[in-house]
Amino acid sequence: DAGVIQSPRHEVTEMGQEVTLRCKPISGHNSLFWYRQTMMRGLELLIYFNNNVPIDDSGMPEDRFSAKMPNASFSTLKIQPSEPRDSAVYFCASRGPINEQFFGPGTRLTVL
Amino acid sequence: GESVGLHLPTLSVQEGDNSIINCAYSNSASDYFIWYKQESGKGPQFIIDIRSNMDKRQGQRVTVLLNKTVKHLSLQIAATQPGDSAVYFCAEIKNFGNEKLTFGTGTRLTIIP
Repeated sequence: DAGVIQSPRHEVTEMGQEVTLRCKPISGHNSLFWYRQTMMRGLELLIYFNNNVPIDDSGMPEDRFSAKMPNASFSTLKIQPSEPRDSAVYFCASRGPINEQFFGPGTRLTVL
Repeated sequence: GESVGLHLPTLSVQEGDNSIINCAYSNSASDYFIWYKQESGKGPQFIIDIRSNMDKRQGQRVTVLLNKTVKHLSLQIAATQPGDSAVYFCAEIKNFGNEKLTFGTGTRLTIIP
């Protein structure tokens, strides 16, 4: 298995633009997580899905952030409009039958 | 408030020596703890976990100790190697089966050749 796949790996955009981050979880995993990592705040859980249904989105910073999981093999995290303070590394992770989350390589987002 | 935190942000250890990374947590109801390793430019990688009904668990070159009395968690790495250089995070799950992980701030471990 290729592990959790994220795209793009790097994204540079201008303030006000829409940003869409993508994630393909490990096949057979039922849970998917979106995290954000910054130097100031560390690793923060934004939202997680179980069987494609959002379970906890209390970590989503504000209405500019939205996440979807239309099927078991794909999820998106969208920021619209983006702001410089959204600059961070965004990780997607998936979890299977055991209590271990497998992380993707991350997307480094820079908002100018 | 409730938090998972680390005592030291950085740690340097001579190659071949043992290292100990510490973590304090404040939620005595937490049920499950995990240590993750994050190398530069990569996502966190699972190392070892421990449930709250245990006080010690061993893996390959790693041991996790849990002291619930003082709410303290540690990761011991034996015979450190250059590849052990990374940032190490402890994380907690408040209820086993609940999937929401809360991460600590991390400790950067540097192995000196």
